[in-house]
Amino acid sequence: AQSVAQPEDQVNVAEGNPLTVKCTYSVSGNPYLFWYVQYPNRGLQFLLKYITGDNLVKGSYGFEAEFNKSQTSFHLKKPSALVSDSALYFCAVRGTGKLIFGQGTTLQVKP
Amino acid sequence: DGGITQSPKYLFRKEGQNVTLSCEQNLNHDAMYWYRQDPGQGLRLIYYSQIVNDFQKGDIAEGYSVSREKKESFPLTVTSAQKNPTAFYLCASSIAGPLSYNEQFFGPGTRLTVL
Repeated sequence: AQSVAQPEDQVNVAEGNPLTVKCTYSVSGNPYLFWYVQYPNRGLQFLLKYITGDNLVKGSYGFEAEFNKSQTSFHLKKPSALVSDSALYFCAVRGTGKLIFGQGTTLQVKP
Repeated sequence: DGGITQSPKYLFRKEGQNVTLSCEQNLNHDAMYWYRQDPGQGLRLIYYSQIVNDFQKGDIAEGYSVSREKKESFPLTVTSAQKNPTAFYLCASSIAGPLSYNEQFFGPGTRLTVL
């Protein structure tokens, strides 16, 4: 079965500390993986994607993600969190004929 | 929100009414999508279209209908057959269809509430 799991409903981190938002996936074949961010009552904004090549992908707003094929994971990271990073984050994988989204992880960055 | 507009921002529907949500894009993208977002459930695909005058059902198409008469427009009608339509609806587009590796660009959303 094709699926995406974001095991944490919420991640709390202090401003200035590193953050990680976890994502694991299950698809057949080579995965195409995406991260999006959503601010309250807004649409999703694309952050980054993994298609092929380097396992460390750099994206918008200082975010990066590490693709790990053996662990079927694609965790989102940032070296130093900002209060303005507080939002809802979605991981997605290209499935058969559609993009499959995780349930989302709320990131709360406290001053 | 990347060249995709959705209107209205808020919509209220009475029981038994059909309502139409507008989605327009000026990105010259071939593919367009409609998603429904409910709290804690992520995004679920309602319909998508890869080309004008063609569209495909997604995972939760029952009670919804779409049309794609122009490349830039992909309106969604929520019919009275949709049992629980209260949700946040998101329109998206991409250069090519869902089998590609192109990212999707999202509109700002329409919040539909059934009174």
